[in-house]
Amino acid sequence: NAGVTQTPKFRILKIGQSMTLQCTQDMNHNYMYWYRQDPGMGLKLIYYSVGAGITDKGEVPNGYNVSRSTTEDFPLRLELAAPSQTSVYFCASTRERTGANVLTFGAGSRLTVL
Amino acid sequence: AQTVTQSQPEMSVQEAETVTLSCTYDTSESDYYLFWYKQPPSRQMILVIRQEAYKQQNATENRFSVNFQKAAKSFSLKISDSQLGDAAMYFCAYIDPGSNYKLTFGKGTLLTVNP
Repeated sequence: NAGVTQTPKFRILKIGQSMTLQCTQDMNHNYMYWYRQDPGMGLKLIYYSVGAGITDKGEVPNGYNVSRSTTEDFPLRLELAAPSQTSVYFCASTRERTGANVLTFGAGSRLTVL
Repeated sequence: AQTVTQSQPEMSVQEAETVTLSCTYDTSESDYYLFWYKQPPSRQMILVIRQEAYKQQNATENRFSVNFQKAAKSFSLKISDSQLGDAAMYFCAYIDPGSNYKLTFGKGTLLTVNP
């Protein structure tokens, strides 16, 4: 059982470049999330999805886009990379809309924009 | 909006001793859940313990326990018999059922365990 898989683990981008962070889960979870973690800070929600075809903005969505064409995949796209997007990105998922179920996190993707 | 505050950016403890990490939160909801997550240098987010607000009994998981004070909106984590492997960043987090399971995190407390 792989859980939540994120790729790549590390990436360096130049200002203005675009890229996609991939996230896949094999647990048949409906709910998926993208968080970013800046140095010395907690995680902030970028986008989330409650099921295939449904996405919504979180706290810090500017500069990002997402799609959810399947239950398993929830890619995060950066269109025009900026230094402010240098961060560690976490994908997470859960099955049900209850607090008793805990989010399963991926291992994180470290992105540096120079 | 809900907020989570961790007032201790860093804490240290001697191996085998006990340490308490503080967390306060602000919400107008009556039904919610609180969590402590551990993030070691590997960056992996690991659930340590969770507490349902409607339960008065404090949650415990082996050496980890919480002191949940609902009226005071306080949720502290106590680590007993600290071990070197407990060294990590600890995050307090909140969720209420109406938020599509969107976790709100505190800024974290970096715990150092001294041998």
